[in-house]
Amino acid sequence: DGGITQSPKYLFRKEGQNVTLSCEQNLNHDAMYWYRQDPGQGLRLIYYSQIVNDFQKGDIAEGYSVSREKKESFPLTVTSAQKNPTAFYLCASTLGQPNTEAFFGQGTRLTVV
Amino acid sequence: AQSVTQLDSQVPVFEEAPVELRCNYSSSVSVYLFWYVQYPNQGLQLLLKYLSGSTLVKGINGFEAEFNKSQTSFHLRKPSVHISDTAEYFCAVSDRARGGADGLTFGKGTHLIIQP
Repeated sequence: DGGITQSPKYLFRKEGQNVTLSCEQNLNHDAMYWYRQDPGQGLRLIYYSQIVNDFQKGDIAEGYSVSREKKESFPLTVTSAQKNPTAFYLCASTLGQPNTEAFFGQGTRLTVV
Repeated sequence: AQSVTQLDSQVPVFEEAPVELRCNYSSSVSVYLFWYVQYPNQGLQLLLKYLSGSTLVKGINGFEAEFNKSQTSFHLRKPSVHISDTAEYFCAVSDRARGGADGLTFGKGTHLIIQP
């Protein structure tokens, strides 16, 4: 079945560590996105990529980094510079214009311990 | 820039009663409009979308929404809710001129609570 796979489902990070969240899609979608979800805050865009080897900052990119070396993969690294990383992270993809429906993964819950 | 306001953070409704979840948006550009549903600890699933054409759009699970350009609203409705509709609902917009390619702007969500 086609879809978006995020791993791991739960992740624990110590203070000062970098961690990488995986996002893989087999939908042949061009565009991929990372969102952060906090309770009562909705979803906020971290980074997005419309094509391989290119990506743009979203609204809350500070403390995060991404890469897009393959069409299927868009990993997110939460760096030690991110002061409040505990959140639910969602990856999404879209086919591209004009079909703008976003498909979401099941999310990764990151907790700082 | 766009912003989305969901006017109610929680909406309690009795089973089989109708429900309306309200969404207003603000944007300097023309937008596409979406409603997504999220069950606990899961990703988001698209309920319905407005891209163009008829302002009344029908989605999955018996939901529908009406786009009102003059009031910049996109309220979600269902004539009769079920226990299984208990979830978080998000309204979202994207920039029509850019084909939605630069992501979605979300509201803060409405928690729909169905009471037996």
